[in-house]
Amino acid sequence: NAGVTQTPKFRVLKTGQSMTLLCAQDMNHEYMYWYRQDPGMGLRLIHYSVGEGTTAKGEVPDGYNVSRLKKQNFLLGLESAAPSQTSVYFCASSSRSTVNTGELFFGEGSRLTVL
Amino acid sequence: QQPVQSPQAVILREGEDAVINCSSSKALYSVHWYRQKHGEAPVFLMILLKGGEQKGHEKISASFNEKKQQSSLYLTASQLSYSGTYFCGALLSYNQGGKLIFGQGTELSVKP
Repeated sequence: NAGVTQTPKFRVLKTGQSMTLLCAQDMNHEYMYWYRQDPGMGLRLIHYSVGEGTTAKGEVPDGYNVSRLKKQNFLLGLESAAPSQTSVYFCASSSRSTVNTGELFFGEGSRLTVL
Repeated sequence: QQPVQSPQAVILREGEDAVINCSSSKALYSVHWYRQKHGEAPVFLMILLKGGEQKGHEKISASFNEKKQQSSLYLTASQLSYSGTYFCGALLSYNQGGKLIFGQGTELSVKP
C-alpha cells in the first residue's frame, strides 16, 4: 500500500536550472497539495488541486508551476531554480469527502538544494 | 494569514503535561493538528470543527474557542513517543477547497 509517493527524494540543482517533482497517490483522492518546509516557517502551501485538470495558488506560489493532468499525479515544476527554493517539499492528498473534516496524507518529502 | 503557535519549543520530563496554543487573526472554520517526527512526514492527530468541540486521541486532546479564534492541544502524562514538532492547520471556510494553512510549529521534546 504505497499511499503518496514523491520522486525524487533528493536533488541538487545549480541556480537557473529547471526540474520537476512528481507526486503520485494510489488512494483515488480528489485533492492534492504541495507544501514546502523551512526551519522556523512550518509548512507553507505552494499550490493545490481540487481535482484532475484544476490547480490553484497557495501562500507561496511564486517561482513554481504545477500540473494535474491525471487524477493520481501532481507535478511541481521549478523553471529557473534559485537558492531561496532550497527546502524540503512535501506532497499531500485528501479525499473529497473528508477534505474539510479529515486528514491529509503526506508523502515522505523531497529535499532540494539549489547552489 | 498563517496561524501563530506558542510556545515555539517546550522540553518536558516523561509524565509531565503540556499545552500548545494556535491562534488565528481570521475566523476559523476548522483546526487540524498534525505531529511530525524528525525526518518523517507529518501525521494527522485530530480535527476540530466550528462549535467549540473538544476531541481526544489517547492522552492527547484539543479544544477550539471560536470567539478567540484559538485552539489548544493538551498532552497529558507525556511519553517519549510524543516528541516531535506539532503543527496546527487552519481552514478559514468550508468553501476554501481544502486550503489548509499551517502554523510555524511547536517543537516538543520529552526526556526520560
